[in-house]
Amino acid sequence: GAVVSQHPSWVICKSGTSVKIECRSLDFQATTMFWYRQFPKQSLMLMATSNEGSKATYEQGVEKDKFLINHASLTLSTLTVTSAHPEDSSFYICSAPGGQGFIEQYFGPGTRLTVT
Amino acid sequence: GENVEQHPSTLSVQEGDSAVIKCTYSDSASNYFPWYKQELGKRPQLIIDIRSNVGEKKDQRIAVTLNKTAKHFSLHITETQPEDSAVYFCAASRSSGYSTLTFGKGTMLLVSP
Repeated sequence: GAVVSQHPSWVICKSGTSVKIECRSLDFQATTMFWYRQFPKQSLMLMATSNEGSKATYEQGVEKDKFLINHASLTLSTLTVTSAHPEDSSFYICSAPGGQGFIEQYFGPGTRLTVT
Repeated sequence: GENVEQHPSTLSVQEGDSAVIKCTYSDSASNYFPWYKQELGKRPQLIIDIRSNVGEKKDQRIAVTLNKTAKHFSLHITETQPEDSAVYFCAASRSSGYSTLTFGKGTMLLVSP
């Protein structure tokens, strides 16, 4: 149980285009999901908290107009990187809380984004 | 907000030796401390966690200790094996429903045969 999937697993796009990444909870409902970004040889940095049926909460320094988050159902959150630039190239990982007290986080497999 | 410091950044050991990774945190309200193992290009994998109501937890070759007074916690791996080689992250959060995790910067562990 508690499986989180992401799609696509990797994507290459041209500078200036937009890319959508999907995060799904496969066997449980997630009213909240988290989006992280991880640059090479660095730690996971929380970008935003996705809330089903309401606006996402963004961390300081993350542009909400550039990283659009939509949490339209209890099992799906999407992250759209708009007007992507090479510096947006990174590993994007989502997670959903679960377990006793919803303390544990179940991570998706990640999406490798390369912007050329 | 929470700040988690992790040391060392790299750790090389011989197979069979023990490895210790240490973390400190700043938010006294944090009470959930997971440890993750991440292999290159893959998702973080939870290997052990500890809540603030206990001081130590062990699972086979892996143990975690917590000192709430000093605000630090440590990961101990005994009898290391080459397949233990990976990046390990500590994290901290408040266990109050949907709380966010704050990660340390990671430790690259290399176990040589």
